[in-house]
Amino acid sequence: QKEVEQNSGPLSVPEGAIASLNCTYSDRGSQSFFWYRQYSGKSPELIMSIYSNGDKEDGRFTAQLNKASQYVSLLIRDSQPSDSATYLCAVNIRGGGNKLTFGTGTQLKVEL
Amino acid sequence: GAVVSQHPSWVICKSGTSVKIECRSLDFQATTMFWYRQFPKQSLMLMATSNEGSKATYEQGVEKDKFLINHASLTLSTLTVTSAHPEDSSFYICSASGTGGYEQYFGPGTRLTVT
Repeated sequence: QKEVEQNSGPLSVPEGAIASLNCTYSDRGSQSFFWYRQYSGKSPELIMSIYSNGDKEDGRFTAQLNKASQYVSLLIRDSQPSDSATYLCAVNIRGGGNKLTFGTGTQLKVEL
Repeated sequence: GAVVSQHPSWVICKSGTSVKIECRSLDFQATTMFWYRQFPKQSLMLMATSNEGSKATYEQGVEKDKFLINHASLTLSTLTVTSAHPEDSSFYICSASGTGGYEQYFGPGTRLTVT
């Protein structure tokens, strides 16, 4: 079992729809979770962090964390073509020091 | 805030030569810096973690004598690829984190091509 798992996609959604990206992790003791966006040929950009169960909203983005079920998700409302990118889930795994363990990413395509 | 720069953004070098890549945190003190490598259409691969003033910790399978990392100050880390070969051609990305959190802020990356 991978430590951080994501569906590679591509996930295609029409413009204006809600995109839902999911991530599961194996270490029940993990406390810190992050979502990064990576455009093709560019480096990752931090878009959300979440530490407590529940929802955290920032503009069109909402991160959801459920530690009991060991999943974290990212919702993007009113999806735009500019949201088309690969979204990486990252988790600070217990025992890993301050390293982040990244999922392989989900490619999102927002279609006109 | 949390801006990380990298220099150069791209470099072409001949096989057998060495290349140095700089990573700077511009507006915060980076207690820890990370170096990643990413091949086309593949995931980020962590190469090493460095703390200011300490020797870097390399991930399994990464040759520490080939990829020299120096973290001399709280704002600067360097990665030197020694005796580069074509298979070292890749996208090298640094990231930095400060005190009190696990967030990593990435630099824009350096695209290395070894001919």
